[in-house]
Amino acid sequence: KAGVTQTPRYLIKTRGQQVTLSCSPISGHRSVSWYQQTPGQGLQFLFEYFSETQRNKGNFPGRFSGRQFSNSRSEMNVSTLELGDSALYLCASSSDPGTAGEQYFGPGTRLTVT
Amino acid sequence: QQQVKQSPQSLIVQKGGISIINCAYENTAFDYFPWYQQFPGKGPALLIAIRPDVSEKKEGRFTISFNKSAKQFSLHIMDSQPGDSATYFCAASQRIGGSYIPTFGRGTSLIVHP
Repeated sequence: KAGVTQTPRYLIKTRGQQVTLSCSPISGHRSVSWYQQTPGQGLQFLFEYFSETQRNKGNFPGRFSGRQFSNSRSEMNVSTLELGDSALYLCASSSDPGTAGEQYFGPGTRLTVT
Repeated sequence: QQQVKQSPQSLIVQKGGISIINCAYENTAFDYFPWYQQFPGKGPALLIAIRPDVSEKKEGRFTISFNKSAKQFSLHIMDSQPGDSATYFCAASQRIGGSYIPTFGRGTSLIVHP
């Protein structure tokens, strides 16, 4: 079974631009979560989607948004990029998010904002 | 406010030694405590996890010790090997909106010298 895939793996953007990141979950998984990983703040939860609905959202500004499609693939968007948005963005999928431990991470997208 | 405090930030041990990483939490609503292992260029992978009704869990060379009254838990890696060199994250999860959402510690960079 293929793991979680994320595209692109690396991205360089300029401050003020917007960016869209993509995540394809493990086949059969209906839940996708997004996390931001930085050296200063560590791993922080952004949001979670289940069956195309956002079920949970972390403490991030409205510039961060996401969506999930009917095939469970998910995208996250960051508008008006700031230097502090430079981070590794991780996606994780789960077949049953209500079961603890059922979460598999992708390799991440490394976003650099200049 | 950092809900999960992890220490040390970095750890160097000799091959065959014991690696110990500690975490403390504040929110008593957490009821699932996983540890993740992350290699460079990869996403975190679940290593071992424990529920608060158990004081210890062992899987191979990895053991979690859990102290519910002190709200602390730790990861012990016995007979540490160079291949264990990675970043380790503790997490504390609670069920929100039907899904388990983890709060991560800041991570510990472990280096095992041959």
